[in-house]
Amino acid sequence: QVQLVESGGGVVQPGRSLRLSCAASGFTFSRNGMHWVRQAPGKGLEWVAVIWYDGSNKYYADSVKGRFTISRDNSKNTLYLQMNSLRAEDTSVYYCARDLGSATSCLDYWGQGTLVTVSS
Amino acid sequence: DIQMTQSPSTLSASVGDRVTITCRASQSISSWLAWYQQKPGKAPKLLIYKASSLESGVPSRFSGSGSGTEFTLTISSLQPDDFATYYCQQYNSHSVTFGGGTKVEIK
Repeated sequence: QVQLVESGGGVVQPGRSLRLSCAASGFTFSRNGMHWVRQAPGKGLEWVAVIWYDGSNKYYADSVKGRFTISRDNSKNTLYLQMNSLRAEDTSVYYCARDLGSATSCLDYWGQGTLVTVSS
Repeated sequence: DIQMTQSPSTLSASVGDRVTITCRASQSISSWLAWYQQKPGKAPKLLIYKASSLESGVPSRFSGSGSGTEFTLTISSLQPDDFATYYCQQYNSHSVTFGGGTKVEIK
């Protein structure tokens, strides 16, 4: 069965960096696009970034463009999110999610999420 | 970016009720719309994709309709397990956007 397990969350000071990971199993990782979606405490869902199945294209929300970088290692079945210059408003649960296809942007499986808290 | 507006933001209903949630897009998205269900402390779950296609394993009491800018999610007979928050999501463009959510509460 499809499993997505995020890790790397924690408490970090404003301006610092953090890297999230998402370990995938139960499917052929290299065939699906992958996304990061976040949810601030008590708020709705906010899409963060997508990377195509082969890593050839990446797109970001305006709120993170230039600060966050999505990447993947298909040999390790792992998705990453490098977050730099973190701000208080980046505090959220970060979910990785599988694309229904190679790059449809419909999300059919989600991880359990990892909490990132940006605070001094 | 395409804006997605859901209504209502909160809905109070009883078990057995027919429930309808509306989602409007700021511009046409054809049928590139999905619906998700989220329970407290859990990840969202895909219910409907391409506006009206039921995801595998989702009960048939859930249905979706619409195209262009107006979409609806209908629960034909609300069950205790359905009390949750529902989100629409457009995927017409690479810049994905979600609606603000509709919380379905027990009346």
